[in-house]
Amino acid sequence: AQKVTQAQTEISVVEKEDVTLDCVYETRDTTYYLFWYKQPPSGELVFLIRRNSFDEQNEISGRYSWNFQKSTSSFNFTITASQVVDSAVYFCALSEASRDDKIIFGKGTRLHILP
Amino acid sequence: DAGITQSPRYKITETGRQVTLMCHQTWSHSYMFWYRQDLGHGLRLIYYSAAADITDKGEVPDGYVVSRSKTENFPLTLESATRSQTSVYFCASRGGRSDTQYFGPGTRLTVL
Repeated sequence: AQKVTQAQTEISVVEKEDVTLDCVYETRDTTYYLFWYKQPPSGELVFLIRRNSFDEQNEISGRYSWNFQKSTSSFNFTITASQVVDSAVYFCALSEASRDDKIIFGKGTRLHILP
Repeated sequence: DAGITQSPRYKITETGRQVTLMCHQTWSHSYMFWYRQDLGHGLRLIYYSAAADITDKGEVPDGYVVSRSKTENFPLTLESATRSQTSVYFCASRGGRSDTQYFGPGTRLTVL
């Protein structure tokens, strides 16, 4: 069965602190893709990153970094030196190469960055 | 280049009325999707389409109809709107099966 779990429903941190959002996934496919999306208060869903199952290299993009570990089926997202503009709901998602249809979303983590 | 657009962005209608939500993408993506987002349920797939003239049901298709006569358009019709269909609707598209899915800005629908 496919599943994405974001155990942290809501997190609050003070601006400039680092914060890590956890994502654990389940899949039987050997080829799959992992994503993070951001949903700011304005409501749109913004794509952040895509990772395929054969590439475990960590990725850094500015203040954002992602840690993909197949051994623990995790794809965690870290924001360094958080800013108020990072306040949003963040979704982790899984897509399996064998499936034509949807990607499976986690329930999301609501992140509050306090000034 | 607008990417993927949805119209209207906001809609208020009454129970029993027919409503059509429009989705248009300029990327010539093969796949298109309709999701609804509700508190406590996250994003749920309503219908999807792998190509023009090919559509398939998702998790929550009841009460909805879709068509895809052209690659770039994927309208979603609520044949007889009910209060339980009050939600935010997102359209999405992707090029191939393993590609990234991009979302439209959403349509907030209220059924009174």
